[in-house]
Amino acid sequence: AQSVSQHNHHVILSEAASLELGCNYSYGGTVNLFWYVQYPGQHLQLLLKYFSGDPLVKGIKGFEAEFIKSKFSFNLRKPSVQWSDTAEYFCAVEGGSYIPTFGRGTSLIVHP
Amino acid sequence: SQTIHQWPATLVQPVGSPLSLECTVEGTSNPNLYWYRQAAGRGLQLLFYSVGIGQISSEVPQNLSASRPQDRQFILSSKKLLLSDSGFYLCAWSGRQGAGEQYFGPGTRLTVT
Repeated sequence: AQSVSQHNHHVILSEAASLELGCNYSYGGTVNLFWYVQYPGQHLQLLLKYFSGDPLVKGIKGFEAEFIKSKFSFNLRKPSVQWSDTAEYFCAVEGGSYIPTFGRGTSLIVHP
Repeated sequence: SQTIHQWPATLVQPVGSPLSLECTVEGTSNPNLYWYRQAAGRGLQLLFYSVGIGQISSEVPQNLSASRPQDRQFILSSKKLLLSDSGFYLCAWSGRQGAGEQYFGPGTRLTVT
């Protein structure tokens, strides 16, 4: 069975700081990888995804993530965060069953 | 465009009462449908998923059940609620082939008293 680990449960940053949220998974086969975001009071929505090809994927609002197969990782990054990035971020992995497994989520608070 | 609806948005129910939460999807056909429970600090726990009418798979044995009476309708039910059923319930859909990204509804906040 696949599992997903998000190392940072709570992150607090000031505006313009750089962000990196860790995500590691355990599954030996081919995976599809996702980052979802839930802004306060809004639906959970897709931030970016990786299916194949270039391991560095770019998403909405300046976010990017890098798939490192050897490390079973899919870390989310943003060079300069804004107050509006305050949200909860979820990493998800979809292995052979096509049923995604979600991490526990990371709560990000950005101070203006 | 596709939309997903959930109702009610909030619900307060006494212990032992029945439950019915409804999810409907518009603008797509033959979706995969999912019910999740979201708890603070615990991420999303998959409860049920369905690949077609009448086809339900349960991920976690518990006090809840799910049904899919129509292609784009997914219902979460309980005959007798427990206090531990309180939580935030999310419905989601994805395309049939290989799943891919999921699209989530607004959720239902259930409080069992």
